[in-house]
Amino acid sequence: AQTVTQSQPEMSVQEAETVTLSCTYDTSENNYYLFWYKQPPSGQMILVIRQEAYKQQNATENRFSVNFQKAAKSFSLKISDSQLGDTAMYFCAFMKKQGAQKLVFGQGTRLTINP
Amino acid sequence: NAGVTQTPKFQVLKTGQSMTLQCAQDMNHEYMSWYRQDPGMGLRLIHYSVGAGITDQGEVPNGYNVSRSTTEDFPLRLLSAAPSQTSVYFCASRTPSGGKSYEQYFGPGTRLTVT
Repeated sequence: AQTVTQSQPEMSVQEAETVTLSCTYDTSENNYYLFWYKQPPSGQMILVIRQEAYKQQNATENRFSVNFQKAAKSFSLKISDSQLGDTAMYFCAFMKKQGAQKLVFGQGTRLTINP
Repeated sequence: NAGVTQTPKFQVLKTGQSMTLQCAQDMNHEYMSWYRQDPGMGLRLIHYSVGAGITDQGEVPNGYNVSRSTTEDFPLRLLSAAPSQTSVYFCASRTPSGGKSYEQYFGPGTRLTVT
């Protein structure tokens, strides 16, 4: 079974700073996806960024980028030039590429951006 | 497209009562899932379906039933509500093929309290 661990329950930074959220996972699979989801106070789950395990290049989406270390089973999220609207819970998630493809989530990191 | 819709948004039940959480999607997605989110934890999979007439158990299925008679609908039934089922419930859908087959579309959630 796959497990996902986020070791930082809470983080807080000043607006415009850069922040990195950590995630490690455990799997024996070789083909899979990794995701970061954002959950703002409204409660909606929003996909921030995804990474395919077979791609060595780290994914980027505007101010969001990941550091994917497959051998170390590490998948951190970097938010550059943080904004007040980035305040949210952030969840790391794993999904096998084959089969029913269920999402396995970490416990989440509560990120607060201070003005 | 309305995407994934869930009703009700909020519900309070007494212990032992039964109810059905509704989920519908208008994107013709084959895959649908139910997750629950408890404080301090990520989402955990309750049940999922890979098509009409096909359902399977996830990580935390006890106390819940599902059926999938149409592609659009995937209701979640609580047979005899217990306080341990107090949670926020998310429905999600996905297509298993195509360029964005990795992406789960989440509904807005149903906040359930069992007293």
